[in-house]
Amino acid sequence: QVQLVQSGAEVKKPGASVKVSCKPSGYSVTNFHIYWVRQAPGQGLQWMGVINPSGLITNYAQNFQGRVTMTRDTSTSTVFMELSSLTSEDTAVYYCARRAVTHFDFWGQGTLVTVSS
Amino acid sequence: QSALTQPRSVSGSPGQSVTISCTGTSSDVGGYNYVSWYQQHPGKAPKVMIFDVNERPSGVPDRFSGSKSGNTASLTISGLRPEDEADYFCCSYAGSYAYVFGTGTKVTVL
Repeated sequence: QVQLVQSGAEVKKPGASVKVSCKPSGYSVTNFHIYWVRQAPGQGLQWMGVINPSGLITNYAQNFQGRVTMTRDTSTSTVFMELSSLTSEDTAVYYCARRAVTHFDFWGQGTLVTVSS
Repeated sequence: QSALTQPRSVSGSPGQSVTISCTGTSSDVGGYNYVSWYQQHPGKAPKVMIFDVNERPSGVPDRFSGSKSGNTASLTISGLRPEDEADYFCCSYAGSYAYVFGTGTKVTVL
């Protein structure tokens, strides 16, 4: 069955970077884009960006441009999202999600990133 | 883009119907028939309930339905059940691979 398995929770200090991984399985990864969405505590969902199946094309939300980098390891199909210059406002659960043409049909379990001094 | 506007909360008794609105602009909701709705229980990942305005994925009860008029989309839950109590988020395609989510609505089953 389709699964997106994310890396575990992280605690980072302000100014540091965090790199979250997302490993898809159960489907042909060459056919689907992977999106990253975050959710601050008690808040809504926020689109961060997307990486295409080959890993060669990305598109980032304006709010994160210059701070986020999405990459893909084609040998393992694992997708990575790295966010730099962290502040307390980046404390959130980060999700990867598979895009099925027009919507997100499968989601990872989420990775909690806590930014605290 | 700015988040799509949803009511903070709606409530209903078991068996009743509730409708959640989702208001955007002509650049997102009004510009594409790619509105989806997600259900999220506490501590869980979102689950798609409606896509392409009014399509239901397999396994989603037909109590859930969607519609759109102009820049506003709506999700209706008919025959409300206790397990429907959750947060619901709308989402719209906004062009150039971008998406925008709604502010979220808490559905309470009285």
